[in-house]
Amino acid sequence: NAGVTQTPKFQVLKTGQSMTLQCAQDMNHNSMYWYRQDPGMGLRLIYYSASEGTTDKGEVPNGYNVSRLNKREFSLRLESAAPSQTSVYFCASSEAGGGWSQPQHFGDGTRLSIL
Amino acid sequence: KNEVEQSPQNLTAQEGEFITINCSYSVGISALHWLQQHPGGGIVSLFMLSSGKKKHGRLIATINIQEKHSSLHITASHPRDSAVYICAVSSDYGGSQGNLIFGKGTKLSVKP
Repeated sequence: NAGVTQTPKFQVLKTGQSMTLQCAQDMNHNSMYWYRQDPGMGLRLIYYSASEGTTDKGEVPNGYNVSRLNKREFSLRLESAAPSQTSVYFCASSEAGGGWSQPQHFGDGTRLSIL
Repeated sequence: KNEVEQSPQNLTAQEGEFITINCSYSVGISALHWLQQHPGGGIVSLFMLSSGKKKHGRLIATINIQEKHSSLHITASHPRDSAVYICAVSSDYGGSQGNLIFGKGTKLSVKP
């Protein structure tokens, strides 16, 4: 049982380049999330999807877009990468029913560096 | 002021010691989560609780809703417990989609 799978695990980009971080879960969860983790700060929510076909902004959505492709997959896109987006990105999923009060299952993270 | 505060930020213990990590929060919550982040970076959910106490193996989590405080205890600590422990709360505002608010984590190192 793979759980939450993120790709790639590492990526280096130049300023202005675009890329998409992929996330897939095999637990039949309705809710999915994208977070970023920066040194000295707690995890911060970028975007979330409460169910297939819906997405909403979190705390730090600027510079990002998301797509809930189907129930399994939730992708995060950086259209024009900036050095401030250097971070570790985590995808997570949880069961439906007031998603915030359900345990979240995390992927292993993507380490992204923007030069 | 952060809405979720953890203490201590860093903790070094000897193998076998009893460990306590504290979490205080300032918002109304529907649940509190304890997470473990391994040195390799992966994050695992340990507990989710809204009242009382939960136990799993050597780990015990307690919450006092009136005092807005939770503790994570590790009994008979072992070097493999070395990790960052993160407290997070599900706030109860905004209907069913309140934000999950994270503390900055407590880095635990258990020496053999």
